[in-house]
Amino acid sequence: EMMMTQSPATLSVSPGERATLSCRASQSVNSNLAWYQQKPGQAPRLLVYGASTRATGIPARFSGSGSGTEFTLTISSLQSEDFAVYYCQQYNNRPITFGQGTRLEIK
Amino acid sequence: EVQLVESGGGLAQPGGSLRLSCAAYGFIFSGHAVSWVRQAPGKGLEWVSTISAGGSNTYYADSVRGRFTISRDNSKNTLYLQVNSLRAEDTAAYFCAKASGTYFGPFDIWGQGTMVTVSS
Repeated sequence: EMMMTQSPATLSVSPGERATLSCRASQSVNSNLAWYQQKPGQAPRLLVYGASTRATGIPARFSGSGSGTEFTLTISSLQSEDFAVYYCQQYNNRPITFGQGTRLEIK
Repeated sequence: EVQLVESGGGLAQPGGSLRLSCAAYGFIFSGHAVSWVRQAPGKGLEWVSTISAGGSNTYYADSVRGRFTISRDNSKNTLYLQVNSLRAEDTAAYFCAKASGTYFGPFDIWGQGTMVTVSS
């Protein structure tokens, strides 16, 4: 089973600053990597797919990069509504697997 | 409005069964693979099962294979998950999700989730 490892587990950042979240796959997933945002009591929301393509309606401050086994989600200037848990997901191989999540909290 | 709406969750005893449903609105349901993803309380996301657009191909996580059955009725724009032989570790919120690319993602539309609690 493909393992997805996210780091850090928790990231404390001040509003207006940049946040960088990492996701590592145990083997290559090519560019079949998505990022989701989840707020308490809500369903996940798709942010980025194909490693670097923003989903419909996602603000430009969210950007994804990487390929193969190393991926990054960058939020360029944190807004209050961005504090949430973020998950990466590989859809290159079955079974689909998610990272364990990074909690982005207000510093 | 494009949305998925789950129902059917609740309290079940160990060994019991439930049937979860997911109604689709605002898009061509029959044109897309759909999946179930679950989340245990305070934990991360776990893929459970996927069914192809026409329903002929189904896929399961090892943790549920042989106990859960995914199906769909495209005439009713509805996805189902029959969950049998429930265990305590099946306690989770169950989300249905629509795939926008391949069978297995990315998931661009999610339901709000339905909670399954397995307890005696």
